[in-house]
Amino acid sequence: QAVVTQEPSLTVSPGGTVTLTCGSSTGAVTSGHYPYWFQQKPGQAPRTLIYDTSNKHSWTPARFSGSLLGGKAALTLSGAQPEDEAEYYCLLSYSGARGDVVFGGGTKLTVL
Amino acid sequence: QVQLVQSGAEVKKPGASVKVSCKASGYTFTSYGISWVRQAPGQGLEWMGWISAYNGNTNYAQKLQGRVTMTTDTSTSTAYMELRSLRSDDTAVYYCARAVGWGRPDYWGQGTLVTVSS
Repeated sequence: QAVVTQEPSLTVSPGGTVTLTCGSSTGAVTSGHYPYWFQQKPGQAPRTLIYDTSNKHSWTPARFSGSLLGGKAALTLSGAQPEDEAEYYCLLSYSGARGDVVFGGGTKLTVL
Repeated sequence: QVQLVQSGAEVKKPGASVKVSCKASGYTFTSYGISWVRQAPGQGLEWMGWISAYNGNTNYAQKLQGRVTMTTDTSTSTAYMELRSLRSDDTAVYYCARAVGWGRPDYWGQGTLVTVSS
């Protein structure tokens, strides 16, 4: 099974910009992996922020954006707010007979 | 609005089975699948598998093959996940989520804590 990798932790200053990345052990991440990004705060269920690389849900703050960057999926937060401190998970879909879906290990984002 | 409401917390002994339910509302149940995701204490998210609510097709994560069964009841818009031969490392919060494509979650349930302890 493929392994999806994320930075274990990142820190951003309030108002600052940070980019989280999501890589695949099988090679470059493409739009065909349909990258998703989720935010999870302690004691809460995950919330889907970004789907299919760069699409936002109605509840996704405008300061979050998704893209492909250097062979990885990326989540960029521009103008970080204290309430953005959370764990962020990416997810990639792998085609083939099994069609598996794999989560990354998560990035703990601290706003400090 | 889309809602997924899960059954309550469970405590089970090793070797037992657990069945978690997930009642969906606010959308056409058979137009989407349901994915199940679990999270052990202090750990990340683990995709367990997916079921099509349209035709019942399933795809289970390889490590759970043979121990997990996912089903749906379209008459009540409810999905079920049964996990058998429970072990202590199955202790986790289990989430259902409405799924698009081959199991990508968009709307999430509130989670169900399953504790496996003797």
